[in-house]
Amino acid sequence: QQPVQSPQAVILREGEDAVINCSSSKALYSVHWYRQKHGEAPVFLMILLKGGEQKGHDKISASFNEKKQQSSLYLTASQLSYSGTYFCGTESGTLFGNEKLTFGTGTRLTIIP
Amino acid sequence: NAGVTQTPKFQVLKTGQSMTLQCAQDMNHEYMSWYRQDPGMGLRLIHYSVGAGITDQGEVPNGYNVSRSTTEDFPLRLLSAAPSQTSVYFCASSYSPGGVDMNTEAFFGQGTRLTVV
Repeated sequence: QQPVQSPQAVILREGEDAVINCSSSKALYSVHWYRQKHGEAPVFLMILLKGGEQKGHDKISASFNEKKQQSSLYLTASQLSYSGTYFCGTESGTLFGNEKLTFGTGTRLTIIP
Repeated sequence: NAGVTQTPKFQVLKTGQSMTLQCAQDMNHEYMSWYRQDPGMGLRLIHYSVGAGITDQGEVPNGYNVSRSTTEDFPLRLLSAAPSQTSVYFCASSYSPGGVDMNTEAFFGQGTRLTVV
């Protein structure tokens, strides 16, 4: 079953902040975040393992609440280059890791000048 | 180092035809998988493999076959193409280091855009 992402789409002005949420009905082992530009392949952003760790680099960070089976992606002071569709990928409790990633339906982020 | 290579990039098939989408990676990754991407549906897992000789079904396996005879290659076969299989197909691979940190990023190929008429 695919995780649910919200919102489905968001439009921001350059410099504004955004939060993208991902929730699952299953217990999660890890959450991945990817960004896809139009006509291109998805590109990895970060992985969060269970333990509630928050990760980030530059102005993009994420949190993972394993009890609530949710993850959130935070984009601060958004730049034009942040535009694209963001996908969360979840992996539920297999021994071997991320061989079976289940992706959400995506959140389309549009940044306007 | 080419990463994940998919061929062809574009393909048009007639209903009932069969074909194989090729995927090759040169990173010695154990895990490989096939996804299809349709508008509003995100990426849906078709089949995946945890190593040579080992494959399993994903969410939407019907109408597709896979095999994994080598670490490098993971072809996807459409047995009898249907218009419902019109989609963009992505192959992905990832590394399994074992140990504590088992989860690593997935590397995607550039996709194959398939149209079935």
